[in-house]
Amino acid sequence: QQQVKQSPQSLIVQKGGISIINCAYENTAFDYFPWYQQFPGKGPALLIAIRPDVSEKKEGRFTISFNKSAKQFSLHIMDSQPGDSATYFCAASTNYGQNFVFGPGTRLSVLP
Amino acid sequence: DTAVSQTPKYLVTQMGNDKSIKCEQNLGHDTMYWYKQDSKKFLKIMFSYNNKELIINETVPNRFSPKSPDKAHLNLHINSLELGDSAVYFCASSQSGADTQYFGPGTRLTVL
Repeated sequence: QQQVKQSPQSLIVQKGGISIINCAYENTAFDYFPWYQQFPGKGPALLIAIRPDVSEKKEGRFTISFNKSAKQFSLHIMDSQPGDSATYFCAASTNYGQNFVFGPGTRLSVLP
Repeated sequence: DTAVSQTPKYLVTQMGNDKSIKCEQNLGHDTMYWYKQDSKKFLKIMFSYNNKELIINETVPNRFSPKSPDKAHLNLHINSLELGDSAVYFCASSQSGADTQYFGPGTRLTVL
């Protein structure tokens, strides 16, 4: 029940295209859903996050869509750029960072 | 100014040795974590620790032990290293009551 599922495992997108990564969870106690971005040789860094009281959050080219009833959330990267090539992790937590669980990650490659 | 720093960045050692990885954060956070990232990029929490409580992931062997000399430091000690311990280890920190975790750059441990 603590697991967060993520798909696809890898994704190749042309420059300017839309990248979509999906995640699903089971534990209804989760109340915070962040996305982390990790470049090779670096630690993960927070990209964008959402709470269940809203269905969508947008920051620049990055949007999280959240479906509470389906227990799913997704990351959309608009106008994808080669600099977006990285591994993306969805995550979920309860109680202000307790029970923090990462999805298995999606390796995104944006072709020039 | 590095917010979360780890040393060393690379650690190569023989099976059976004991080693330590150091972590320091200058963010004033009161909670620190250790994660293990395996060769498939899967991130798994090992410990979370603040000045009140150490939470251990039950799957972590007792050869691994966190030690915190003060709020800004959480070191990871590993005894009797095994081949399967080879991975990248990340330290992270957060402020209790907040959700965002800030990650260090990682330490790549290779056990020969």
